[in-house]
Amino acid sequence: DAKTTQPTSMDCAEGRAANLPCNHSTISGNEYVYWYRQIHSQGPQYIIHGLKNNETNEMASLIITEDRKSSTLILPHATLRDTAVYYCIVRVTGGGNKLTFGTGTQLKVEL
Amino acid sequence: NAGVTQTPKFQVLKTGQSMTLQCAQDMNHEYMSWYRQDPGMGLRLIHYSVGAGITDQGEVPNGYNVSRSTTEDFPLRLLSAAPSQTSVYFCASRTWYLSSGANVLTFGAGSRLTVL
Repeated sequence: DAKTTQPTSMDCAEGRAANLPCNHSTISGNEYVYWYRQIHSQGPQYIIHGLKNNETNEMASLIITEDRKSSTLILPHATLRDTAVYYCIVRVTGGGNKLTFGTGTQLKVEL
Repeated sequence: NAGVTQTPKFQVLKTGQSMTLQCAQDMNHEYMSWYRQDPGMGLRLIHYSVGAGITDQGEVPNGYNVSRSTTEDFPLRLLSAAPSQTSVYFCASRTWYLSSGANVLTFGAGSRLTVL
């Protein structure tokens, strides 16, 4: 699976959009980008995934660059409850069982 | 539908004691896994199972045993606990959505283990 690079931490004002970047420059053509988050002391939670196209669901939007070497997770109207560690993971869907989590980005949403 | 249930939530052991962390899921998922999470670190895969009767090692398997006798249950055993095994343990099960290519893990709430 391709390696990902994320900033260690980010801050965001409540009500504003939170844009979390992820670099995956070694991604291959059959690898998906997944995002999970972990609110303090809880188990990680799946947010969204994508291959080439931008994706949106009830939680967030995922923007993948045309060369697929980076992506951005967007929380359109961040709330205090979105304070969490966000993990960007790249892997081949259905291929392999060793899903690897890095250290992620600590997002702090403040008033 | 309870999802993934882990017990106990908290446990304190003495060095050399043994114990089992329980994990159960009611989603009929074939794949289940155990992770540990230490302060300032991401999750590290301990063991995983792709179905009843089949288990395999992850990144950090030493000191842990698993078995998978049913689809629902995937217990993690510490045969002789060591202080280095103080950690938060998460169990997860996985489902694939073939139409979208999604490979989604559902995690339990975690079990916090302290070994003195």
